[in-house]
Amino acid sequence: DAMVIQNPRYQVTQFGKPVTLSCSQTLNHNVMYWYQQKSSQAPKLLFHYYDKDFNNEADTPDNFQSRRPNTSFCFLDIRSPGLGDAAMYLCATSRESSYEQYFGPGTRLTVT
Amino acid sequence: TQLLEQSPQFLSIQEGENLTVYCNSSSVFSSLQWYRQEPGEGPVLLVTVVTGGEVKKLKRLTFQFGDARKDSSLHITAAQPGDTGLYLCAVDYTGNQFYFGTGTSLTVIP
Repeated sequence: DAMVIQNPRYQVTQFGKPVTLSCSQTLNHNVMYWYQQKSSQAPKLLFHYYDKDFNNEADTPDNFQSRRPNTSFCFLDIRSPGLGDAAMYLCATSRESSYEQYFGPGTRLTVT
Repeated sequence: TQLLEQSPQFLSIQEGENLTVYCNSSSVFSSLQWYRQEPGEGPVLLVTVVTGGEVKKLKRLTFQFGDARKDSSLHITAAQPGDTGLYLCAVDYTGNQFYFGTGTSLTVIP
């Protein structure tokens, strides 16, 4: 089945220790997104890739970076995680000009 | 200021009851999506509405897009425990930039 895969599902990191979350897709969609979702809140868009074109939301902290080496994979790098970065991180994909997104199961990040 | 305001924020009802969730904005949108998210999982798309006044049905769920395309509602008939989850409306605001509503957390008690 075509899908969006996120690894790992659960990630624990230490305060200030860089961490990378990964996302892959078999849908061949050209747009990929990263969202941050804190408890009982809606997902908040961090950035998205339209093909290789990176688009950062204005209020996304510099601590968050992303890489998309090819169509299938996208990575979220948190350079120096703080306690406030503990959240669920969701990856999603869509076709260009489509209204619909397809989400992965998310990675729950804990910062100790 | 939130682009999309949902109400109520929390809703706890008994199995078999009906409910309506609202998604409101002062902006006009070309389309609007509804998602359901279960705990520990990513949101799953339920429906997309694109035409003002449009009504779509998905089994016991009825979705309506406002005539002016600024608001939408989701009505669930005879709620079941499996309907429990976070219901989110979302729009593609500026082209490949999706924004979610504030969310409605629904609990259906058996």
